[in-house]
Amino acid sequence: AQKVTQAQTEISVVEKEDVTLDCVYETRDTTYYLFWYKQPPSGELVFLIRRNSFDEQNEISGRYSWNFQKSTSSFNFTITASQVVDSAVYFCASSGTSYGKLTFGQGTILTVHP
Amino acid sequence: SQTIHQWPATLVQPVGSPLSLECTVEGTSNPNLYWYRQAAGRGLQLLFYSVGIGQISSEVPQNLSASRPQDRQFILSSKKLLLSDSGFYLCAWSGREAFFGQGTRLTVV
Repeated sequence: AQKVTQAQTEISVVEKEDVTLDCVYETRDTTYYLFWYKQPPSGELVFLIRRNSFDEQNEISGRYSWNFQKSTSSFNFTITASQVVDSAVYFCASSGTSYGKLTFGQGTILTVHP
Repeated sequence: SQTIHQWPATLVQPVGSPLSLECTVEGTSNPNLYWYRQAAGRGLQLLFYSVGIGQISSEVPQNLSASRPQDRQFILSSKKLLLSDSGFYLCAWSGREAFFGQGTRLTVV
């Protein structure tokens, strides 16, 4: 069984601040995948990134960056120069080789104030 | 491109009434399909998944059932709704990641 923990329930920042969302995972699988999803107020889940357990390279996409560290079982997400449009609930999730069978964390509510 | 449709967007149903939520996927064949539920203020929980027509796997015991009558159609049902069935229901299909529908917000009163 897999477990994902997002210890930060809510984070509030002012626009242009950098913010890091923490994610810690537990799994016994040797092959696994980690994901981040964004859930805006409309409710739909927007895919942000997938990483596999064999690739610990950090990734940057615009203002978003992800830090995957197997040694600490963490997959943290950083938003640089946050914007009001970044306000949403962010979910970290894991899966085995069946990508759609996701185990989600409880989510972090991010509020970016102007 | 693949798209996923889910309806209705919102639903208010009395306790004891039946439920039918429908999800269809376009642009792909034989997709893996999933139903998730998000209770208020909590993360998402996988309810059912299907790897093919008529093949349903249940992840948690509950008052709900799922069916897959066609390749790209996935239905979530209940014969008698409970208050605890209230929540946000999301259908998904997976390629190299899971793609979610718009969701149905169900309130049982």
